Amino acid sequence: DAGVIQSPRHEVTEMGQEVTLRCKPISGHNSLFWYRQTMMRGLELLIYFNNNVPIDDSGMPEDRFSAKMPNASFSTLKIQPSEPRDSAVYFCASSSGLAGAYNEQFFGPGTRLTVL
Amino acid sequence: SQKIEQNSEALNIQEGKTATLTCNYTNYSPAYLQWYRQDPGRGPVFLLLIRENEKEKRKERLKVTFDTTLKQSLFHITASQPADSATYLCALVISGNTPLVFGKGTRLSVIA
Repeated sequence: DAGVIQSPRHEVTEMGQEVTLRCKPISGHNSLFWYRQTMMRGLELLIYFNNNVPIDDSGMPEDRFSAKMPNASFSTLKIQPSEPRDSAVYFCASSSGLAGAYNEQFFGPGTRLTVL
Repeated sequence: SQKIEQNSEALNIQEGKTATLTCNYTNYSPAYLQWYRQDPGRGPVFLLLIRENEKEKRKERLKVTFDTTLKQSLFHITASQPADSATYLCALVISGNTPLVFGKGTRLSVIA
């Protein structure tokens, strides 16, 4: 298995532009998580899906952030408009079972986003 | 809300020694704890899980303890090697379908 796949690996954009991050979870996993990691705040959960349905989006910082999971093999995280404070590494992770189940999460390599 | 603290931002130890990393939490007692390893430029990788009714869990050179009275988990790496140098994250789940909450991690450097 190729593991969790994220694209792009690096994204540099200017303030105000729309940014779309993509994730392909491990086949057979039914939970998908989007995280943001910064030095200051560590690894923060933004949103997670179970069976393609958003379960908890309380970590989404504001309306500029949105996430979708149109099918079991694809998810997007969109930021519109982007701001410099959105600069961070964004991780996608997947697991089998429900979010709190006794299952490990498998992380993708991350997308390093820089907003100028 | 749940708060997780991991001891110091960085820990330097000599090769061959035992590294001990601490994870303290407040408020609710978690149903279980997980430990992850993260290398620079990569996503976290799962290492071990320990449940609230377990005192200790081992995997090769790794050992995790869970003290619900002290609200603390300790992560040990015995006979440490330079290849063990990484950031180690603890994460906990309170119960049910609540997702993992991660600590900020401790950066371990094993010096040859």
